[in-house]
Amino acid sequence: GAGVSQSPSNKVTEKGKDVELRCDPISGHTALYWYRQRLGQGLEFLIYFQGNSAPDKSGLPSDRFSAERTGESVSTLTIQRTQQEDSAVYLCASSPDGIGNQPQHFGDGTRLSIL
Amino acid sequence: AQSVTQPDIHITVSEGASLELRCNYSYGATPYLFWYVQSPGQGLQLLLKYFSGDTLVQGIKGFEAEFKRSQSSFNLRKPSVHWSDAAEYFCAVGARRTSGTYKYIFGTGTRLKVLA
Repeated sequence: GAGVSQSPSNKVTEKGKDVELRCDPISGHTALYWYRQRLGQGLEFLIYFQGNSAPDKSGLPSDRFSAERTGESVSTLTIQRTQQEDSAVYLCASSPDGIGNQPQHFGDGTRLSIL
Repeated sequence: AQSVTQPDIHITVSEGASLELRCNYSYGATPYLFWYVQSPGQGLQLLLKYFSGDTLVQGIKGFEAEFKRSQSSFNLRKPSVHWSDAAEYFCAVGARRTSGTYKYIFGTGTRLKVLA
């Protein structure tokens, strides 16, 4: 009965470095979402995966951000050449199949700090 | 455009007092509505959801919310607040994409402080 798992829980890195964040969704959930939450702010949608369909990348803020998902399992969010404004908590969520009446199940997030 | 507004950024109440957190949405069809709670350092946990039917929905931890179509609102209430309710609360709407799948739009959150 594991929930959504994210790793690492905290990441501190220098400006300009690349970082990779990992999300393990709940088994069987075909829909997976990434959000960014800046300090004191709400959730900013980044990207959405639904099964084998093309992902919705409309929320990615720049081409430094990319994400992949292997089938209906693990997803990785990669940020290249990190900037200080990338500092935030990155939250991953999954739901059974992306239908709007299904709530999302969230991980505890990765807190990213760019020095 | 679809949107969710939580007009109160911060709310402070005394323990035992009643609570109401406001949420207004903009969406052309019947919305799917959610309230989530986020404790410090954690992800979001679902409190309750509205899809259709009875406009007053009950959730976990003694919370309830009422859907009012005429006011485009989905306010969260609790009759008696406990110190452990101090957290950030997010309202969200499930909005249908043209592909038939859904995206979720979140409000900016309301931070609740509870005084002993």
